[in-house]
Amino acid sequence: AQKITQTQPGMFVQEKEAVTLDCTYDTSDPSYGLFWYKQPSSGEMIFLIYQGSYDQQNATEGRYSLNFQKARKSANLVISASQLGDSAMYFCAMREGGTGTASKLTFGTGTRLQVTL
Amino acid sequence: EAGVTQFPSHSVIEKGQTVTLRCDPISGHDNLYWYRRVMGKEIKFLLHFVKESKQDESGMPNNRFLAERTGGTYSTLKVQPAELEDSGVYFCASSPLIPVRNTEAFFGQGTRLTVV
Repeated sequence: AQKITQTQPGMFVQEKEAVTLDCTYDTSDPSYGLFWYKQPSSGEMIFLIYQGSYDQQNATEGRYSLNFQKARKSANLVISASQLGDSAMYFCAMREGGTGTASKLTFGTGTRLQVTL
Repeated sequence: EAGVTQFPSHSVIEKGQTVTLRCDPISGHDNLYWYRRVMGKEIKFLLHFVKESKQDESGMPNNRFLAERTGGTYSTLKVQPAELEDSGVYFCASSPLIPVRNTEAFFGQGTRLTVV
């Protein structure tokens, strides 16, 4: 079964607008972490934002925020004031096990975001 | 502080040849992970080292792939013999022995492998 689901293979957004990239996850572990990465055409994986399963507040990092809805098992990424440089692939990932537990990340299939003028 | 470093950044080899990828983790990080993204598909876990020991190698596709981490520092991933379907981007990540929150989040720049 898919542990991380990203249902939007591609998204378009106009410059300066906000965009939401969807991510749902599946785990029976009460402790987990959720991550979002950006992969531009150059190929590197850029860490954007992290949300722990016990975090009381939604994570924010600059223009990035994570809309964490635990009961729905969703962790959508919101990018505000989109810029042309935001055009890239975006991956949602999950690590099962709480803080202090070293384990692999499981990734979704990604969403390709294109920012237009 | 230097980040995770991978060598080479690109490699083009012929089918049947051998290629060795290298990953230098962040200094002091005992956990080291290999992942790959093949042909536009999702990023898949390959294996996890804790120091020099293989903690989890459940993602290794077949016995043509050999990963080592002698001395618990840098790691190598050898593909021998390479097949066309091995083409993709290979990523490495590292974290402290006891990771906190997002400390395992940081990846190297990846090695783009093309098998022709």
